[in-house]
Amino acid sequence: KAGVTQTPRYLIKTRGQQVTLSCSPISGHRSVSWYQQTPGQGLQFLFEYFSETQRNKGNFPGRFSGRQFSNSRSEMNVSTLELGDSALYLCASSLGGTVGFDEQYFGPGTRLTVT
Amino acid sequence: DAKTTQPNSMESNEEEPVHLPCNHSTISGTDYIHWYRQLPSQGPEYVIHGLTSNVNNRMASLAIAEDRKSSTLILHRATLRDAAVYYCILRDTNFGNEKLTFGTGTRLTIIP
Repeated sequence: KAGVTQTPRYLIKTRGQQVTLSCSPISGHRSVSWYQQTPGQGLQFLFEYFSETQRNKGNFPGRFSGRQFSNSRSEMNVSTLELGDSALYLCASSLGGTVGFDEQYFGPGTRLTVT
Repeated sequence: DAKTTQPNSMESNEEEPVHLPCNHSTISGTDYIHWYRQLPSQGPEYVIHGLTSNVNNRMASLAIAEDRKSSTLILHRATLRDAAVYYCILRDTNFGNEKLTFGTGTRLTIIP
């Protein structure tokens, strides 16, 4: 079956702009998580959506937001972009309904560059 | 979240076994031990997980210490494709906890 897809794969934005990233999970998966990866901070959890509700949230400012649609597709939005938001944004999907051994499947990521 | 400690980097020769250690001295009774790896220019991928007993799958084996304060990921016969950053992660078994807390991981280099 098809894996997790993320669009776009690459994006260049200017400081102050906003951006929306999209993630399509594996068919049947109801949980979508978002991560930010930078050379300095590594992989950091942003938030997780399950059945259109945000279920877990990391320690990121309110400029980072997300949503999930009824078909489990998810979008992540970053407003008022800062240079430090330049990163690889990864999406992961999982079944979401089981306890802590649920395997997560990651997409290839969206590389965001803020200039 | 309970923390894990891994060596920053390791090297191994191709076709030899690799033992990647992970310390997690503050692990709780409900924490599963997960391993993910990230190949260059790709998102992380699941490798294996376990709770108390040693585990095997097609990719690797996971050896868990009796006190669960440490574990070792074993790649039985390393190939060049196994060159990646390996992350040891603790996950609580509470329902709905999909969050993965990544540490710095171990960068594994395979020498041809």
